[in-house]
Amino acid sequence: QQQVKQSPQSLIVQKGGISIINCAYENTAFDYFPWYQQFPGKGPALLIAIRPDVSEKKEGRFTISFNKSAKQFSLHIMDSQPGDSATYFCAASLDNYGQNFVFGPGTRLSVLP
Amino acid sequence: DTAVSQTPKYLVTQMGNDKSIKCEQNLGHDTMYWYKQDSKKFLKIMFSYNNKELIINETVPNRFSPKSPDKAHLNLHINSLELGDSAVYFCASSSGGDGNTIYFGEGSWLTVV
Repeated sequence: QQQVKQSPQSLIVQKGGISIINCAYENTAFDYFPWYQQFPGKGPALLIAIRPDVSEKKEGRFTISFNKSAKQFSLHIMDSQPGDSATYFCAASLDNYGQNFVFGPGTRLSVLP
Repeated sequence: DTAVSQTPKYLVTQMGNDKSIKCEQNLGHDTMYWYKQDSKKFLKIMFSYNNKELIINETVPNRFSPKSPDKAHLNLHINSLELGDSAVYFCASSSGGDGNTIYFGEGSWLTVV
């Protein structure tokens, strides 16, 4: 019940295309859903996050869509750029001390020039 | 100013040795973590400390021992290193007050030979 599933495992997109990564969770107590971006040789960094009281959040070219009833959320990258090539992790957490984040297995995105 | 810094960045050592990885955060956060990332990029939490108190201790061999001398530092000591310990170890911190954002260090690449 603590798992977060993520797909696809890898994704290749042409420059200017839309990248879509999907995640699903089981624990309905999760109340915070961030996406992290990790470049090679670096630590993951927060990209965008959403709470379950909204169905969509947009920041620039990045949008999270959230479906509470289906227990699914997804990341959409519009106008994908080669600089977006990285590994993306979805995560879910409970708002408590220790904040036990559960990360998805990651999606390796390659944006071709 | 590095928010979460960990040393060393690279560590190559022989089986059976004992090694330590140090971590410091200058963000004033109360919670610190150690994560392990394997060759398939899976991010798995190992430990979480809140104000120097152990909050999360996932199923990790007893050879791994975290030490938090103060809330800005969380070191990881590993005894009797094994080949399977080879991975990237990330230190991280969070405050819980800024949307539950976890800030990761750049990672320590441990190779056991």
